[in-house]
Amino acid sequence: DIQMTQSPSSLSASVGDRVTISCRASQSISNYLNWYQQKPGKAPKLLIYAASTLQSGVSSRFSGSGSGTDFTLTISSLQPEDFATYYCQQSYSIPPTFGQGTKVEIK
Amino acid sequence: QMQLVQSGAEVKKPGASVKVSCKASGYTFTSYYMHWVRQAPGQGLEWMGIINPIIGGNTNYAQKFQGRVTMTRDTSTSTVYMELSSLRSEDTAVYYCARGMSCSSPSCYRFDSWGQGTLVTVSS
Repeated sequence: DIQMTQSPSSLSASVGDRVTISCRASQSISNYLNWYQQKPGKAPKLLIYAASTLQSGVSSRFSGSGSGTDFTLTISSLQPEDFATYYCQQSYSIPPTFGQGTKVEIK
Repeated sequence: QMQLVQSGAEVKKPGASVKVSCKASGYTFTSYYMHWVRQAPGQGLEWMGIINPIIGGNTNYAQKFQGRVTMTRDTSTSTVYMELSSLRSEDTAVYYCARGMSCSSPSCYRFDSWGQGTLVTVSS
């Protein structure tokens, strides 16, 4: 199985900050990388697919980049509703696997 | 709008089975594969398997769950089911159904809509 490793595991940031979350795959996955947002007690929500394509209805302050083994999710200006846990997921091979999550907390 | 509505929370004893349902609405049920993903308390997300709602309900399960999980569907009610047997305490988790795409290759394994989750608690 492909291992997905996110960094950092958690971060504290203020409203308006630019936030970057990294995701590394244990082998090349081309651009088959998706990002999800999960709030406490809620189901995950798809934000970005194919590494950089914004899911319909998702704010443009979210962006993704990368290919191969290294990927990044960027929130350009953190808003109160963005405090959540973020997961990357590879869709290159079966089984699809997720990173361990990055919790974004209020500073 | 599309919606996935899951059955309610369950409490089971070790060794028992649980069957969780997921009723789809607001889209053509037979046009999209359905996945099941679970999340243990305070933990990350774990993919369990996929079911094709059309052609004979073909399935593909994660190796970890082979022999213990069964996914089925009822096209007349637009509902998919996930049954997990021989439950143990480590199976305590929230179980989600998640809609995939209209294809079954790995590149199609992204999840654009999720059910609200069903908490399954395994305790003696």
